[in-house]
Amino acid sequence: NAGVTQTPKFRVLKTGQSMTLLCAQDMNHEYMYWYRQDPGMGLRLIHYSVGEGTTAKGEVPDGYNVSRLKKQNFLLGLESAAPSQTSVYFCASRQTGENEQFFGPGTRLTVL
Amino acid sequence: SQQGEEDPQALSIQEGENATMNCSYKTSINNLQWYRQNSGRGLVHLILIRSNEREKHSGRLRVTLDTSKKSSSLLITASRAADTASYFCATGTSGTYKYIFGTGTRLKVLA
Repeated sequence: NAGVTQTPKFRVLKTGQSMTLLCAQDMNHEYMYWYRQDPGMGLRLIHYSVGEGTTAKGEVPDGYNVSRLKKQNFLLGLESAAPSQTSVYFCASRQTGENEQFFGPGTRLTVL
Repeated sequence: SQQGEEDPQALSIQEGENATMNCSYKTSINNLQWYRQNSGRGLVHLILIRSNEREKHSGRLRVTLDTSKKSSSLLITASRAADTASYFCATGTSGTYKYIFGTGTRLKVLA
């Protein structure tokens, strides 16, 4: 099993450009999450999904959109990137119940 | 913010010593989890403790939970250089699907 994978690993954008980050998991997990991590800080939840076709806002959703068309994939979109969105983005998934989250390796995004 | 807080923010110890880090949180929880993050990598789950448990062990890890004080501690015994990482607590609350992460403790174990 590959676990949780994220593409791309690195990306540099100019202000105003758009992009989509892809998260895929092969563990048949119901719940998926997108977090951002800024230097010296913990993880902040952007959006999450509790099942195929569902999405919900987290702590810091502004400027991001998500979609979960297939159970195994969770996409994070930036419609018009801003320098404040420079961060490392982590995707995670977990099964229902009191279970651990499995994290992807992260995407390092720089917005100039 | 509902985010938990770990202390200390940074900790430097010698190999073989024990490392203790603490997590405080603000709301009632169902469970609390600890994760490790090596530099530039994703988080890895270490241990989960439920709200009705007071202590849990896993190898060299010992976690305690005091729900009356809304706090938890993670003890790593006989630390190794490979334990150098950041450690985060995450709290899960009843009725939500979200986990709130703390700000982390950066542990450095000197060989």
